Amino acid sequence: DTEVTQTPKHLVMGMTNKKSLKCEQHMGHRAMYWYKQKAKKPPELMFVYSYEKLSINESVPSRFSPECPNSSLLNLHLHALQPEDSALYLCASSQDQGGLGAKNIQYFGAGTRLSVL
Amino acid sequence: AQSVSQHNHHVILSEAASLELGCNYSYGGTVNLFWYVQYPGQHLQLLLKYFSGDPLVKGIKGFEAEFIKSKFSFNLRKPSVQWSDTAEYFCAVNAFQAGTALIFGKGTTLSVSS
Repeated sequence: DTEVTQTPKHLVMGMTNKKSLKCEQHMGHRAMYWYKQKAKKPPELMFVYSYEKLSINESVPSRFSPECPNSSLLNLHLHALQPEDSALYLCASSQDQGGLGAKNIQYFGAGTRLSVL
Repeated sequence: AQSVSQHNHHVILSEAASLELGCNYSYGGTVNLFWYVQYPGQHLQLLLKYFSGDPLVKGIKGFEAEFIKSKFSFNLRKPSVQWSDTAEYFCAVNAFQAGTALIFGKGTTLSVSS
């Protein structure tokens, strides 16, 4: 079973709302990731945190704001989203980031299914 | 552009049929290769992985994959599928040439009828 926990499982929000997605892992992993996945499509990388510092931002609009309060937690703050932002948001973690090998295997959470009305 | 290609978009099989899903990548040098499975409404699960060594790797649920370096391929196989194998299958690659980000193929939908 996955050891990456995401809350909430489902979220419906209006375009003027502010909400946050949460991700937690207790595997001691030092790299954490946010992905966006549309139906029947592969996950698209949004952000990568390595040792609690933002290391990759894949040109994501500023209405998505990531935060890594500590090595176990990753948040994604949402503000003024558009209907096209409706998707499954996946969190993943790996022991390390930036190399190859077992330390870079990514483990995924169950995701938050977001609907923007 | 360098990429990961999954040639089969949608595969439909009857139970007990054999399965082979193709995956090709275009990155040179050292690569790590993965197959992930996503059952309907569920999260991505790691099915199997290849780093080095024996090019035939075995994963969970009776799946295996073969790395053929000369063909830049990492095809997924299962001798006899079950209805419960109905899912989306993603091939993914870590490569230094890709900055070690995990690059996913577009996915293959497998539908197994009982």
